[in-house]
Amino acid sequence: DTGVSQNPRHKITKRGQNVTFRCDPISEHNRLYWYRQTLGQGPEFLTYFQNEAQLEKSRLLSDRFSAERPKGSFSTLEIQRTEQGDSAMYLCASSLVGLAGAGSYNEQFFGPGTRLTVL
Amino acid sequence: KNEVEQSPQNLTAQEGEFITINCSYSVGISALHWLQQHPGGGIVSLFMLSSGKKKHGRLIATINIQEKHSSLHITASHPRDSAVYICAAYTGTASKLTFGTGTRLQVTL
Repeated sequence: DTGVSQNPRHKITKRGQNVTFRCDPISEHNRLYWYRQTLGQGPEFLTYFQNEAQLEKSRLLSDRFSAERPKGSFSTLEIQRTEQGDSAMYLCASSLVGLAGAGSYNEQFFGPGTRLTVL
Repeated sequence: KNEVEQSPQNLTAQEGEFITINCSYSVGISALHWLQQHPGGGIVSLFMLSSGKKKHGRLIATINIQEKHSSLHITASHPRDSAVYICAAYTGTASKLTFGTGTRLQVTL
């Protein structure tokens, strides 16, 4: 399977615990995006990487959230001291940006998401 | 006001009906993406378009850049089309997506 994969698919945790999600993008894709989707809403942008560099973070990404993409391949999203308001679907998407870079719209492909429930 | 708005929010149709979902946006975009999301969360790409019209099977997507409006049409709808349909705009140099809130479609027999 050469699509975007995410693990785990579901995570239930108690408030105050730390959780980490993983995203494996399509192998040749150099951009990786994280989005969060709460019930009944469309996804919202959290952050994105171009290769290993984290280039933008949303205001939604509080200090308790950290994302990494250490080798420019898979990415992890960690939430520390989880709160009930963190309960959501966390979506990862990847795309291939060509040499034109900025301003180009390269189709994003989505993973299945990780559904987080904080009790 | 959201930068990307969809209508209707909910739609019920009988099998065979022609369906239209609308998307309006207030920001400058480089392209628009129509996506389908089934229960369980997985998102599937339907169309990405920056002008004109695209067709795939029973699905048709159109975009009018001047009017900042796009439509997704489903011809001869079928219960398996039941899902949430989301439009999302590619904005800015990061090409990040700004999403509408989705249209929940239920097609009944």
